[in-house]
Amino acid sequence: QQPVQSPQAVILREGEDAVINCSSSKALYSVHWYRQKHGEAPIFLMILLKGGEQKGHDKISASFNEKKQQSSLYLTASQLSYSGTYFCGTSTSGGGADGLTFGKGTHLIIQP
Amino acid sequence: GAGVSQSPSNKVTEKGKDVELRCDPISGHTALYWYRQSLGQGLEFLIYFQGNSAPDKSGLPSDRFSAERTGGSVSTLTIQRTQQEDSAVYLCASSLATGIPGELFFGEGSRLTVL
Repeated sequence: QQPVQSPQAVILREGEDAVINCSSSKALYSVHWYRQKHGEAPIFLMILLKGGEQKGHDKISASFNEKKQQSSLYLTASQLSYSGTYFCGTSTSGGGADGLTFGKGTHLIIQP
Repeated sequence: GAGVSQSPSNKVTEKGKDVELRCDPISGHTALYWYRQSLGQGLEFLIYFQGNSAPDKSGLPSDRFSAERTGGSVSTLTIQRTQQEDSAVYLCASSLATGIPGELFFGEGSRLTVL
């Protein structure tokens, strides 16, 4: 079942922070975040595994609350290059039995 | 090339015709995924291969859609008797992981237009 992302879209000024949420009705084993720029292929950001971990690199980080079946992506001090559509993908199995199902995406626009 | 290669990049066909879309994954990647992306929409999961077998084909929208993978490498997505609602970009991705989905490397996609 497809995870639900919120908000659907957000417009920020450069330097502002953003949070993108992803929730599922199913128990999750892993959450995956990707960014897609217009006309380009999606690019991998990070994977979070069951265990409630938090990950990050540069000014983009994410958390995964397995009990709530939710993940959040945090973008701090946003840069123009952060613009794009962010997708969360979820997997319910650690054994490779299921594919990776993505949400509908969150459109992020960073203005100068 | 080093990346995921998809062909054709663009395909225009008439309603009712069959089409085949090809994906050549990164060498050594055992997992292969097909997604469909309609204009402005998300990534709709179609099918996932691990080697030559498809543990998860739950996303195929109808029996007009089928996919195969031979030799654990190249995959072909076939759409029979195409309909206008099949118009979309079909994305293929591959991954090295054999368990949980690892980092997916996406191709540039095949844009299908059904007239």
